[in-house]
Amino acid sequence: DAMVIQNPRYQVTQFGKPVTLSCSQTLNHNVMYWYQQKSSQAPKLLFHYYDKDFNNEADTPDNFQSRRPNTSFCFLDIRSPGLGDAAMYLCATSRDQGAYSPLHFGNGTRLTVT
Amino acid sequence: GENVEQHPSTLSVQEGDSAVIKCTYSDSASNYFPWYKQELGKGPQLIIDIRSNVGEKKDQRIAVTLNKTAKHFSLHITETQPEDSAVYFCAAEFGNEKLTFGTGTRLTIIP
Repeated sequence: DAMVIQNPRYQVTQFGKPVTLSCSQTLNHNVMYWYQQKSSQAPKLLFHYYDKDFNNEADTPDNFQSRRPNTSFCFLDIRSPGLGDAAMYLCATSRDQGAYSPLHFGNGTRLTVT
Repeated sequence: GENVEQHPSTLSVQEGDSAVIKCTYSDSASNYFPWYKQELGKGPQLIIDIRSNVGEKKDQRIAVTLNKTAKHFSLHITETQPEDSAVYFCAAEFGNEKLTFGTGTRLTIIP
C-alpha cells in the first residue's frame, strides 16, 4: 500500500542534543509537510516543501530545520531541543497544494526531551 | 487572522446515537473544509471533505454540511459504533492554500 512512513515512532533525546526525525513516502506526492502536535492540540504547521522549494512558517523557531534530498524522503532536524519541543511530530504529503489535494499523514514520531 | 473554532471539545454519545461536531471559520474566502479522525497513537486520517460549491456531502454514516453565509460547517455521524471513538479535527483552507485546523473534539462512544 502507498504510505507515509515515519521513523522512529518514539524518540528520546537529551536537552540540547541534536535529533533528526525522518519521513518517507511511496505516494510520489509533490508536497511534504512537517507538523508539530502537542497533547490535545491541533497540528501546527512548521514548514513544507513543494518539490524542492522550501516554505517556512513565520513562527517556526530557527531551532527547527528540514531537508528533502529527494521526492521520497524528508527530514526534520531539531538543532538544540528544549523541554518545550517535546511533542508528536507528524509528516504529511499531498499530491499538490490546494483544495483538490488532501493531506495524507504518517503515524508520527513522539519526541521526549529529558 | 485565519481562525477555526471547533465545538464541543469533548463529546460522549451512547452507541447507536448520532454525534454532531461544529466548526466556524473566519475567512469568507475559504473554499475547502476537510475532517480528520485521529485514533490513539496514529496520525490524522481524512474521513470526509466538502468544497464551497456544495452544501452537504454524505459517505455512509458520515455527513458534512456547510453554511457559507454563516461560515460554519458540521460533521454528523449516525448510528455510532465503538470504533468511532477518536479525536476529530475540522480544518479550513484559506487563500494561501494552507489548512488551519480546529482545536479537536474527543468523541467517546459509550457501549
